[in-house]
Amino acid sequence: DAGITQSPRHKVTETGTPVTLRCHQTENHRYMYWYRQDPGHGLRLIHYSYGVKDTDKGEVSDGYSVSRSKTEDFLLTLESATSSQTSVYFCAISVTAPGNQPQHFGDGTRLSIL
Amino acid sequence: DQQVKQNSPSLSVQEGRISILNCDYTNSMFDYFLWYKKYPAEGPTFLISISSIKDKNEDGRFTVFLNKSAKHLSLHIVPSQPGDSAVYFCAASEDSGNTPLVFGKGTRLSVIA
Repeated sequence: DAGITQSPRHKVTETGTPVTLRCHQTENHRYMYWYRQDPGHGLRLIHYSYGVKDTDKGEVSDGYSVSRSKTEDFLLTLESATSSQTSVYFCAISVTAPGNQPQHFGDGTRLSIL
Repeated sequence: DQQVKQNSPSLSVQEGRISILNCDYTNSMFDYFLWYKKYPAEGPTFLISISSIKDKNEDGRFTVFLNKSAKHLSLHIVPSQPGDSAVYFCAASEDSGNTPLVFGKGTRLSVIA
């Protein structure tokens, strides 16, 4: 298993509260990604990082922010959670840009916003 | 606009037979393709990949075929086993810069004993 730890694994919170999800890797990989998985939508990219303090938006970035102050940690923040952000969130890492290397995924965080 | 399409949401196959999962793409710049398998309550697991310079890649029971002219790839599993029951995602990327993977919506495979 790739050394990826997502925390928390489950969280229930209320609309309007801030939420931060953490992804921690022990592989020293340069690239890190946040996805959400929803029924009928597959995996959609939220944000990704190609180095410390280097991040970019993905397909569904509205309402989310990210930070990467260390190689091993990539944080996803919902500043004011909404019910539409109820989802399963996956972190992924890759050694190089995804053009010729697979990404490896963590086990996910199930987030419910009531 | 979906760049990677898996048009079959589900597929049922008998144990021992061949499973064929299909994927179509629209972006002609894609040149690296992958298949992932996902079990419930787990993250997706990388299964097999293929570069656009090839038309076939094989790994044990799993073979991926790429038809660039048709912008189509398929995953063959032979023989299918009950443990292969999972959701399979097709993904693609351009071999340039930091372009992330684009995933299809997935196909749920059920292998019936």
